[in-house]
Order: sequence, then structure tokens, then C-alpha cells
Amino acid sequence: DAGITQSPRYKITETGRQVTLMCHQTWSHSYMFWYRQDLGHGLRLIYYSAAADITDKGEVSDGYVVSRSKTENFPLTLESATRSQTSVYFCASSDGGTGNSPLHFGNGTRLTVT
Amino acid sequence: GEDVEQSLFLSVREGDSSVINCTYTDSSSTYLYWYKQEPGAGLQLLTYIFSNMDMKQDQRLTVLLNKKDKHLSLRIADTQTGDSAIYFCAESMRNTDKLIFGTGTRLQVFP
Repeated sequence: DAGITQSPRYKITETGRQVTLMCHQTWSHSYMFWYRQDLGHGLRLIYYSAAADITDKGEVSDGYVVSRSKTENFPLTLESATRSQTSVYFCASSDGGTGNSPLHFGNGTRLTVT
Repeated sequence: GEDVEQSLFLSVREGDSSVINCTYTDSSSTYLYWYKQEPGAGLQLLTYIFSNMDMKQDQRLTVLLNKKDKHLSLRIADTQTGDSAIYFCAESMRNTDKLIFGTGTRLQVFP
């Protein structure tokens, strides 16, 4: 089915480990985004990508790395996980800039760093 | 700076109207959005308004925009228990690809 899929749905990892969250979309949308959701902060942008091989930092990018070698995939890597990165992570895509192109969200990955 | 604020909670009785408020700081925003998040799910677009409009109505939803006060509201008429969710307002920044979200308002509808 067409859509945007995140995996895993839940992940528990230890401090200092590397972990990668996957995001895959089937619409061939040019734009993809990673947000984290934390109580009291709403959604905060981590990284976004306007096209394959183009990525830009959001407001909370420290400690995260992304890549976009293919249009449909936008993995997010925590190079050395910290407890402050415990959060719910959402991937989203859109077919244009965010002007009048709505974001389509995945169902999220709940990450716990112990 | 970029800042979008909402109250955290709203509780209403089934059948009443709900009004969820949002304030933003960037006067150059081109579009303003309302998203709904149900438990365990991602956000879904409810409606949006272009910055040169004052009001937009879509069935039970009415969006009001006061650009002078940088205030956005979402009114849900005849609120139902299925409307219980977290509602996020968001603004798109002119000449950027970014969407800035508010903190979200948890709407609880009781019988």
C-alpha cells in the first residue's frame, strides 16, 4: 500500500550505542522530514531533505545524522545515543515545500535510551 | 524568532463547541495549519488557511486567523468523543521549507 512507513515501531537501546531509525515512503515525495515529539515541546524538527543527496539541519540536529541516497528512504541515525534522546520520532514527507503541500506522517518510532 | 504556543489541555462536553487557540510570532508565515494526532499515531492534516484569509470553514471545523494579533483558532462544532486527540497548529515560514509546530493541545471530550 502507498504510504509512509517507519521502523521499528519501538526500540530500547543503551546509552552510547548507535541506532538507526528507518523511514520509507512510496509516493516519490521530494521532501522528507524527521521530527521528535516530547511532552511540553510539541514537534521539533531534527533534519529535513528537499531531494536525494540534499539534507539540512533543523532546530535540534546535534547528535543525529541523516542520509538520503534514494528518494524513498530517509534513515535517521543516533551516533551515540543519550538518555535525552528518549522520545517519539516521526518521519514525514511532502511533495513540495511546506507552503501548501501538507506533510504526511508515519506512525512514529518510540525510542527509549537506558 | 520562531515560536508557536498553545494551551496544553482542553476539556469539553460532548455536543458542545471546542475552541483551540494558537499564537505565533512570525508575521511572514504563508500558511497556517491544524493537525490532529490520535493515540499511537502520526499527525494528520485537518485543515489549513492561507495568510491572506481571515476565516475558513470546512464542515464542523472553522479556522479564524487574526494576523494583527498573530492568533489562530480552531473551532470544532458539535464536538464528539471521536474528536478526542492532540491538536497541533503549525506555521510555514516564507522562503523556507520548514514547518514550525506548536506544543499541541490535548482535547478531551466527555459524555
